[in-house]
Amino acid sequence: SYELTQPPSVSVSPGQTASITCSGDKLGDEYASWYQQKPGQSPVLVIYQDTKRPSGIPERFSGSNSGNTATLTISGTQAMDEADYYCQAWDSSTEDVVFGGGTKLTVL
Amino acid sequence: QITLKESSPTPVKPTQTLTLTCTFSGFSLSTSGVGVGWIRQPPGKALEWLALIYWDDDKRYSPSLKSRLTITKDTSKNQVVLTMTNMDPVDTATYYCAHLEYRDFDYWGQGTLVTVSS
Repeated sequence: SYELTQPPSVSVSPGQTASITCSGDKLGDEYASWYQQKPGQSPVLVIYQDTKRPSGIPERFSGSNSGNTATLTISGTQAMDEADYYCQAWDSSTEDVVFGGGTKLTVL
Repeated sequence: QITLKESSPTPVKPTQTLTLTCTFSGFSLSTSGVGVGWIRQPPGKALEWLALIYWDDDKRYSPSLKSRLTITKDTSKNQVVLTMTNMDPVDTATYYCAHLEYRDFDYWGQGTLVTVSS
């Protein structure tokens, strides 16, 4: 089955840029999405179709996807961005949904 | 405004069958391209996709759980029902339903905690 791999944790200083990666075989051939989840809350879609931001998501959130890696980038990271982040894509051979293992972003 | 809410199940014992209902508003599950999915999250662990049903009644299941899952929809009631058989304590998790637009889960329910214990 298709798998997406994320680093368990990423740390960033306030105001700096955070990058969270998501790796999967030929991931760049599929759309990747990103979800933010804060403790005790439901996930929130922050990036869809690789690079698009839903209404209400700050411009500091951006995404890219090429080759085997999708990347979520948070520019000018703020304390409120501290959360778990999950990538999601589709297994093109089965049309099944796949989530990555999640990355805990710590803003030090 | 799209909203979804998962039912709160009665306590579940091992080997029993879990039935969860997702009641939604703000969209129709008869609209082309729309779907509703179920995703769960064990305490302190990652999201795990379970099942998905589309407007045309096409259904998808997680390969690892396919034998235990059934997803159905009642368009007239704006509800999607997930059943999971042979529950085990490892199935203890928060279960979410979510609206699927094209390829993304853009609206999520609040989640419901399912505890499996004897």
